[in-house]
Amino acid sequence: SQKIEQNSEALNIQEGKTATLTCNYTNYSPAYLQWYRQDPGRGPVFLLLIRENEKEKRKERLKVTFDTTLKQSLFHITASQPADSATYLCALRGGTGRRALTFGSGTRLQVQP
Amino acid sequence: DAGVIQSPRHEVTEMGQEVTLRCKPISGHDYLFWYRQTMMRGLELLIYFNNNVPIDDSGMPEDRFSAKMPNASFSTLKIQPSEPRDSAVYFCASSPRGAGVTGELFFGEGSRLTVL
Repeated sequence: SQKIEQNSEALNIQEGKTATLTCNYTNYSPAYLQWYRQDPGRGPVFLLLIRENEKEKRKERLKVTFDTTLKQSLFHITASQPADSATYLCALRGGTGRRALTFGSGTRLQVQP
Repeated sequence: DAGVIQSPRHEVTEMGQEVTLRCKPISGHDYLFWYRQTMMRGLELLIYFNNNVPIDDSGMPEDRFSAKMPNASFSTLKIQPSEPRDSAVYFCASSPRGAGVTGELFFGEGSRLTVL
C-alpha cells in the first residue's frame, strides 16, 4: 500500500541548531514533493517544492533534499529560531490515479530559546 | 488578496443535524480542494473541483457528505445527517491557474466542527 511517513514524535532542538525532518514514502513515484508549515489553529502554508531531477533546493534558511532511490526527502532549517516552532508536512501527488496532493501526518518541531 | 475564506470558523452541533461549511477561493484560482484533518488520520483529501466541476470525490466518506461549487467564487461542503465521528477540522484550499492540480495549495484557516 502507499504510505507517506513522517516522524510522529516531536523534534526538540536548541535555538541556533539545525533541525532536520524526514519524509519517507512507499509505492509512490512522485515527480516532485512539497513541504508545508502548519501553526496551531491555522491552515498549512506552502514552503518549498522540489522536483525529482533536483537533488537539493534552498530558500533562505530552508534546505530540502530529494532522493528518489531512497524514497526520502529531508527538510533542514539552519540557525533555527523559536519562531520556527510548528508542524511541518510533506506532500506528494496522490497515487492510484488520484491527481491531488496526499499529505504526511507531519512532524512537530519545537525550538527552545 | 484576502486569501481563501472559510466559514464558519467553529461549529458545534448535535448528532443528526445538517452542517454546511462554506469556502471562497482566491480569485482566479481554477482548482478548489476540500480536506479534513484529524489527529488520527491527518490531512485527508475529500474532493476537488476544476473550473467548478467535481473531478475526484473518491475521498468523500459516505453519502452523508456532499460538495458543490455553483460558481468560481463559492463552494459548500454539506454533511447530513452529522455524526460524532465527523468531528474534525475541514480545510478548503485553492490552486492557481496554470499550476495544475498538483501545484502549490493555498489553504484557508479551516472550519472546526464538533458533533455532540
